[in-house]
Amino acid sequence: QTGLTQPPSVSKGLRQTATLTCTGNSNNVGNQGAAWLQQHPGHPPKLLFDRKNNRPSGISERFSASRSGNTASLTITGLQPEDEADYYCSSWDDSLVGRVFGGGTKLTVL
Amino acid sequence: EVQLVESGGGLVQPGGSLRLSCAASGFTFTDYSINWVRQAPGKGLEWLSQISERGDIIRYADSVRGRFSTSRDNAENSIFLQMNSLRVEDTAVYYCARDNWAVDYWGQGTLVTVSS
Repeated sequence: QTGLTQPPSVSKGLRQTATLTCTGNSNNVGNQGAAWLQQHPGHPPKLLFDRKNNRPSGISERFSASRSGNTASLTITGLQPEDEADYYCSSWDDSLVGRVFGGGTKLTVL
Repeated sequence: EVQLVESGGGLVQPGGSLRLSCAASGFTFTDYSINWVRQAPGKGLEWLSQISERGDIIRYADSVRGRFSTSRDNAENSIFLQMNSLRVEDTAVYYCARDNWAVDYWGQGTLVTVSS
């Protein structure tokens, strides 16, 4: 099962802005969009954005999502210590007929 | 409140079998497809299977097709994952998760350890 491509790690300073990317192809991100999930150690993932870029209630407005072609992006402004976590993108793949995940990006807030 | 609670994990020998359960509550169970996703220790998320609202369409990842089987009991608001011919590399936390334009709600997971 071919996954989506995410950078393994990103480091940014407190109160800075981080942009995480997720690259797929026309069978998944390009056609189906991408959802974003946040996972803190020892906890299950939590949905930040669905594949239509809708933010569930309770998710901070410091988080935003966008897509351009086959690449989806998650932007976090005003980084806080609690934003330090693993971030995963996910999509539906029309060719594989299944869900696919990115390998995850570990965000470190310095 | 949407809740998904997995159970049935544990230690099993290579080649053995295990059946996981997922109990759902807090939403209209028959309105949603449900996924099984796993996470090996220190690794990322891996999608395993999805079962449709009525249980008539079931999809699997290549890594588990033919060894794992997903089913649901809509009368009991439950999902099951039957895992056969288990391998050491199947060791992971197994999550059930609701599907709604994304995998939106996740259970806490149940740990499956395959070891001799």
